[in-house]
Amino acid sequence: DIQMTQSPSTLSASVGDRVTITCRASQSISSWLAWYQQKPGKSPKLLIYKASSLESGVPSRFSGSGSGTEFTLTISSLQPNDLATYYCQQYNSYPLTFGGGTKVEIK
Amino acid sequence: EVQLVESGGGLVQPGGSLRLSCAASGFTFSDHYMDWVRQAPGKGLEWVGRTRNKANSYTTEYAASVKGRFTISRDDSKNSLYLQMNSLKTEDTAVYYCARGREGSYSSFDLWGQGTMVTVSS
Repeated sequence: DIQMTQSPSTLSASVGDRVTITCRASQSISSWLAWYQQKPGKSPKLLIYKASSLESGVPSRFSGSGSGTEFTLTISSLQPNDLATYYCQQYNSYPLTFGGGTKVEIK
Repeated sequence: EVQLVESGGGLVQPGGSLRLSCAASGFTFSDHYMDWVRQAPGKGLEWVGRTRNKANSYTTEYAASVKGRFTISRDDSKNSLYLQMNSLKTEDTAVYYCARGREGSYSSFDLWGQGTMVTVSS
């Protein structure tokens, strides 16, 4: 199974800050990586697919990069509405696996 | 409206069975791979399994933790996805989400339902 490791597990940042979340795969997954946002009490929402493609309707302050085993999700200017837990997920091979999540808090 | 609506959750004893349903609307259900993902209370997301579309013979994939106990099926005529859960264990307690595969064989999940809670307890 491919293990997905996210860091940090929690981060606290101020409105307007640039925020970066890292996701590492235990083996190469090419660009078959997605990022999801889950707000408290809500279902997950797709932000980024194929490592760097922005899902329709997602604000442009979200961006993804990377390939192989190293990936990042960047929020260019953190907004109060971005309070959430963010998950990466690989869909290169079965079983599909998620990272453990990064909880983003607003200072 | 494009949406997925799960139902069928509830309280069940260990060793029992439960069948979850997911009703799709607003899109061509038969075109898509469909998945189940679960989330234990206070924990992260765990993929449960997938059913491919008719073009790919409705074949299925499962996580090791549920293989042999859970069965995913679909009825394209009813725009519905199902999860039959047998031999339930306390560790199966979770919110269960159905999710739509975005496109193709390599697909992320671009649409999620609101989830249905399954509690396995005596």
